[in-house]
Amino acid sequence: SQELEQSPQSLIVQEGKNLTINCTSSKTLYGLYWYKQKYGEGLIFLMMLQKGGEEKSHEKITAKLDEKKQQSSLHITASQPSHAGIYLCGADLPYNTDKLIFGTGTRLQVFP
Amino acid sequence: DAGITQSPRHKVTETGTPVTLRCHQTENHRYMYWYRQDPGHGLRLIHYSYGVKDTDKGEVSDGYSVSRSKTEDFLLTLESATSSQTSVYFCAISERERSGANVLTFGAGSRLTVL
Repeated sequence: SQELEQSPQSLIVQEGKNLTINCTSSKTLYGLYWYKQKYGEGLIFLMMLQKGGEEKSHEKITAKLDEKKQQSSLHITASQPSHAGIYLCGADLPYNTDKLIFGTGTRLQVFP
Repeated sequence: DAGITQSPRHKVTETGTPVTLRCHQTENHRYMYWYRQDPGHGLRLIHYSYGVKDTDKGEVSDGYSVSRSKTEDFLLTLESATSSQTSVYFCAISERERSGANVLTFGAGSRLTVL
């Protein structure tokens, strides 16, 4: 079965620092989604990547999908306290695109 | 606001009792999902629905059943709750039939504690 591994599990950074979260799949990714969850709330969609080598940015967050489509990274530039939360990657299953599976999540804390 | 609500938001129950969580949407989306979120496990798919009366199992479906008699409602039932089912449950709807992409919109979650 396909699994998504995220690293690191937890991240504590000082405000203004850059950081990267990784999402690695055991199989080729056909659709990769990044979500953010604020503590105690539901998940909010950030970005979707589908093509090898694809890169998307929104404000200070950039997501990339590698050429082999087995790893994605989420990069935050000049982190702010508003970036704190849990980041999860999700992926379509290749044999059943009705289903979306998720990684274990990365908890980000940003301190002043 | 995508118009997805979960109820109840919080529930405490005892082992062996039945529990039903409700997910209601106003978007007329075909696809609906139930996930549970636990520390160290991220989100795990329990069941999903691809239309009225059309449902299928996810990764962790044992001990859970679902029903979808109307497009707008997707019910998750724990027939006999166990302590291992203490979790936060999230419902989600997908816009895939409109955009082709499986972008999910999530409800606010239902926190269930089984004593």
